[in-house]
Amino acid sequence: AQRVTQPEKLLSVFKGAPVELKCNYSYSGSPELFWYVQYSRQRLQLLLRHISRESIKGFTADLNKGETSFHLKKPFAQEEDSAMYYCAPSPAIPTFGRGTSLIVHP
Amino acid sequence: NAGVTQTPKFQVLKTGQSMTLQCAQDMNHEYMSWYRQDPGMGLRLIHYSVGAGITDQGEVPNGYNVSRSTTEDFPLRLLSAAPSQTSVYFCASSPVNYGYTFGSGTRLTVV
Repeated sequence: AQRVTQPEKLLSVFKGAPVELKCNYSYSGSPELFWYVQYSRQRLQLLLRHISRESIKGFTADLNKGETSFHLKKPFAQEEDSAMYYCAPSPAIPTFGRGTSLIVHP
Repeated sequence: NAGVTQTPKFQVLKTGQSMTLQCAQDMNHEYMSWYRQDPGMGLRLIHYSVGAGITDQGEVPNGYNVSRSTTEDFPLRLLSAAPSQTSVYFCASSPVNYGYTFGSGTRLTVV
């Protein structure tokens, strides 16, 4: 079964610094992985899907099968990126990671 | 499309009362799930469904029941409310092989 682990509860950076939010996975087949974002007091929103290889709001995530990771990266953090970020496997296995709170200081 | 609609948005219950949190989606999504979100605990899966008539337990199912008689609706029933069930509840739906769309949440307080 697919499971994801987010090792950091909190990540604190200054504006303009690079950001990397970690997500590690275990899987018994081909992984399907997603990143979601939740801004303060709002619903979760889908941010990225690994199969689309897109960049959303400057964020990218690459699937690294050797390291079994799907880290979320942004080269220059902005204050509006402050939010909770969740990594999750396929909706068929809907157990989310515990989330990482990103705080971007001015 | 309304997306995923959750009602009510806020609710206060007394210990021992029962209630149903409603969740409806109009996107013909196969998958639906219920989560609770507590400070420092992230998003924990309560129950989920991969299609009408099919439900399964998640990480924290005790004290909750679900049913999925139609594709559109996935209500969550609290059988006998307890203070430990004070939380924010999110419903979500997804088509196969895509990510979830979330509802706006229900903030439940049990006193």
